[in-house]
Amino acid sequence: DAGVTQSPTHLIKTRGQQVTLRCSPKSGHDTVSWYQQALGQGPQFIFQYYEEEERQRGNFPDRFSGHQFPNYSSELNVNALLLGDSALYLCASSLGSDRYNQPQHFGDGTRLSIL
Amino acid sequence: QKEVEQNSGPLSVPEGAIASLNCTYSDRVSQSFFWYRQYSGKSPELIMSIYSNGDKEDGRFTAQLNKASQYVSLLIRDSQPSDSATYLCAVSIIQGAQKLVFGQGTRLTINP
Repeated sequence: DAGVTQSPTHLIKTRGQQVTLRCSPKSGHDTVSWYQQALGQGPQFIFQYYEEEERQRGNFPDRFSGHQFPNYSSELNVNALLLGDSALYLCASSLGSDRYNQPQHFGDGTRLSIL
Repeated sequence: QKEVEQNSGPLSVPEGAIASLNCTYSDRVSQSFFWYRQYSGKSPELIMSIYSNGDKEDGRFTAQLNKASQYVSLLIRDSQPSDSATYLCAVSIIQGAQKLVFGQGTRLTINP
């Protein structure tokens, strides 16, 4: 039973560049949520995708965008990278977008460093 | 006021003792509560979920929920050095879709 997989594991970019992170949900899950975790902080919700649509968005600028594919996998895109975008980006999958009793399971994350 | 607050730590507990981790939340309509364990450099791992008032036990872990007081806790009995990690409290908020709001985490160290 494959868990949540993310790629790449590490990425180094420079300011102003663009980046795409990828996530495959756990088998049987149809919902993907993305979180940003700065060093020493708890994860912050970016957005959630379900049925190929963005269902909810956190307090992140439009530079952060995403996509969900018919096989439920997802991408997170960040444009015009800033130094402050350096963080661990976590993908979490779950079953059903609004089911309160469905836990979210995290992948290993992508560590993004901006120089 | 932050939506989810945890005792700041770090928390140091001797091996074999009980570790107690606390969390308060501000959204009264929250229905789901989760504890995640995160080892240094790794991603959060779900260890407990709780949805109803009272206690829920799973092995050495007990989660406690009091919705009236907007308080959730995690007890770790017979603490082991392998329990040393950061523990994240997460509260589910549904606004069209479910999102998790995390506390800042409590770093726990179990001393042999």
